[in-house]
Amino acid sequence: AQSVTQLDSQVPVFEEAPVELRCNYSSSVSVYLFWYVQYPNQGLQLLLKYLSGSTLVKGINGFEAEFNKSQTSFHLRKPSVHISDTAEYFCAVIETSGSRLTFGEGTQLTVNP
Amino acid sequence: DTGVSQNPRHKITKRGQNVTFRCDPISEHNRLYWYRQTLGQGPEFLTYFQNEAQLEKSRLLSDRFSAERPKGSFSTLEIQRTEQGDSAMYLCASSLMTGNSPLHFGNGTRLTVT
Repeated sequence: AQSVTQLDSQVPVFEEAPVELRCNYSSSVSVYLFWYVQYPNQGLQLLLKYLSGSTLVKGINGFEAEFNKSQTSFHLRKPSVHISDTAEYFCAVIETSGSRLTFGEGTQLTVNP
Repeated sequence: DTGVSQNPRHKITKRGQNVTFRCDPISEHNRLYWYRQTLGQGPEFLTYFQNEAQLEKSRLLSDRFSAERPKGSFSTLEIQRTEQGDSAMYLCASSLMTGNSPLHFGNGTRLTVT
């Protein structure tokens, strides 16, 4: 079975600073990887996904993530954050032949002025 | 695409009562999922349907929980004899049938059991 570890539960940064949210996964088979964002009292919104091909994927709101198979990582980055990026971010994995999406425990990103 | 709709948004109930939540998925999506999310945690898988068939259930889904998707469209999640530990956000999501199709989530139903 697959699993996801988000290495930081909270990441505080200043506005316009770069940020990296770390995600490692574990699976014995090929996987698809996703990052979702959740604003307070809302559902999850897809930021980006890695299915195959280029290991650098770009998503909405200026976010990007890099798939590293050897390190089983899928870290999320943004070169310059805004106050509005304050939210909870979830990394998720699904086996390519599977149907159950498994989430990490989330990283709370707080952008301070 | 009107998105995934969940009702009600909030539900407060007393311990021991039964509650039912409804989810209306995106119309062309074959798969429908239920997840539970407690404060400070990631969503935990409960169950999923492919069309009207319930294909997988988590061990988290005790006998007090039942989910249905009678016509392969909307779904209901019922919790019988609620307990305080059932307090959580219940999220519904839908997707196309392929494994690489991302899940689209509703805004959830927040259950508080007093």
